[in-house]
Amino acid sequence: DQQVKQNSPSLSVQEGRISILNCDYTNSMFDYFLWYKKYPAEGPTFLISISSIKDKNEDGRFTVFLNKSAKHLSLHIVPSQPGDSAVYFCAASSIQGAQKLVFGQGTRLTINP
Amino acid sequence: EPEVTQTPSHQVTQMGQEVILRCVPISNHLYFYWYRQILGQKVEFLVSFYNNEISEKSEIFDDQFSVERPDGSNFTLKIRSTKLEDSAMYFCASSPQGPASTDTQYFGPGTRLTVL
Repeated sequence: DQQVKQNSPSLSVQEGRISILNCDYTNSMFDYFLWYKKYPAEGPTFLISISSIKDKNEDGRFTVFLNKSAKHLSLHIVPSQPGDSAVYFCAASSIQGAQKLVFGQGTRLTINP
Repeated sequence: EPEVTQTPSHQVTQMGQEVILRCVPISNHLYFYWYRQILGQKVEFLVSFYNNEISEKSEIFDDQFSVERPDGSNFTLKIRSTKLEDSAMYFCASSPQGPASTDTQYFGPGTRLTVL
């Protein structure tokens, strides 16, 4: 099941710079997209979401962009901080799917001091 | 801040044994879920539960699995006869509203199930 794909398994960014995490999806029925952050031995922590009626949502240092025509979304973190080092999961859901989340494989973000 | 809690944090069992994983969702939430993550793989949906019945289940959620909300606070996942391939992290999640809305799911810390 490759409906949601994060093609970069890892990303390394300098502290203070912008981190950009990417996610692609194939199912055009998805209408809600979320980013979760996960530390080892913890559950996914909700970060930010976006509905398919929008193309951008911003919350502090985190901004999610949605390009429906390309079936692509991205998470921007600026400025990146050492505490941002974690695995980031993109997830998608649809009303028809009774809100079950379909996850990507995750991208491990490392912020270097 | 309210959070989803799960017990135990780690469960070790013998193949063929029954296990019950427990979750306490956030108190005013209406929609409950179980997901699992096998080591090195994606987080996978197992089942969603709303209004005291299963709303949707995945292919993984076969007859060996069941869910229950035995009281007003707990939400459990039972695996009747565990197999080696059931070894995984099991995450419970809850969301505030019903199925008519797009809604954020909040996850618990997970239970690591090891089947020997």
